[in-house]
Amino acid sequence: EDQVTQSPEALRLQEGESSSLNCSYTVSGLRGLFWYRQDPGKGPEFLFTLYSAGEEKEKERLKATLTKKESFLHITAPKPEDSATYLCAVGSDYKLSFGAGTTVTVRA
Amino acid sequence: KAGVTQTPRYLIKTRGQQVTLSCSPISGHRSVSWYQQTPGQGLQFLFEYFSETQRNKGNFPGRFSGRQFSNSRSEMNVSTLELGDSALYLCASSLDIPVNTEAFFGQGTRLTVV
Repeated sequence: EDQVTQSPEALRLQEGESSSLNCSYTVSGLRGLFWYRQDPGKGPEFLFTLYSAGEEKEKERLKATLTKKESFLHITAPKPEDSATYLCAVGSDYKLSFGAGTTVTVRA
Repeated sequence: KAGVTQTPRYLIKTRGQQVTLSCSPISGHRSVSWYQQTPGQGLQFLFEYFSETQRNKGNFPGRFSGRQFSNSRSEMNVSTLELGDSALYLCASSLDIPVNTEAFFGQGTRLTVV
């Protein structure tokens, strides 16, 4: 069974303090690794898809990287509006298996 | 371009009742997936439909069922509601297999069972 573990569970940052979120996974055949952002009371918002080890993608202050066993989401110089829960998911067998998420709080 | 639309946004039901939730995917998307999200279990996969066919199903009891119509709109039904069914139910649409393309989520339906 596919397993996705995210760490840390929660992260409190000062505005401008860069950090990284980790997503480690065990899957029989990785078809893609996905990052989503979820705000309270809303559905997850798509951020990135990574398909192969070594791949990197960037969007504003976020950068996602992928190795054979884990992915990192780097947040560079975060702002308060980056506060959210970040979810990682792996794809196999027509479904996405999600991690529990990392809740990021950025203080001004 | 319109996003994924889920209705209703909020529902309160009594134990033993049944409920039907609706999802309209992004125009042109043929795959619709359903997820249950709770604080304790996170996002759990329920089922995925493509062209009116269920292609995969998660580990949920038979009280949870779904269907997809020819216009790709989907419904899920939960019969004999239990208190533990209280959750945010999310629908995601994608062009094809959700693991090959981006899946876009709706705002969800918040179901409370009392």
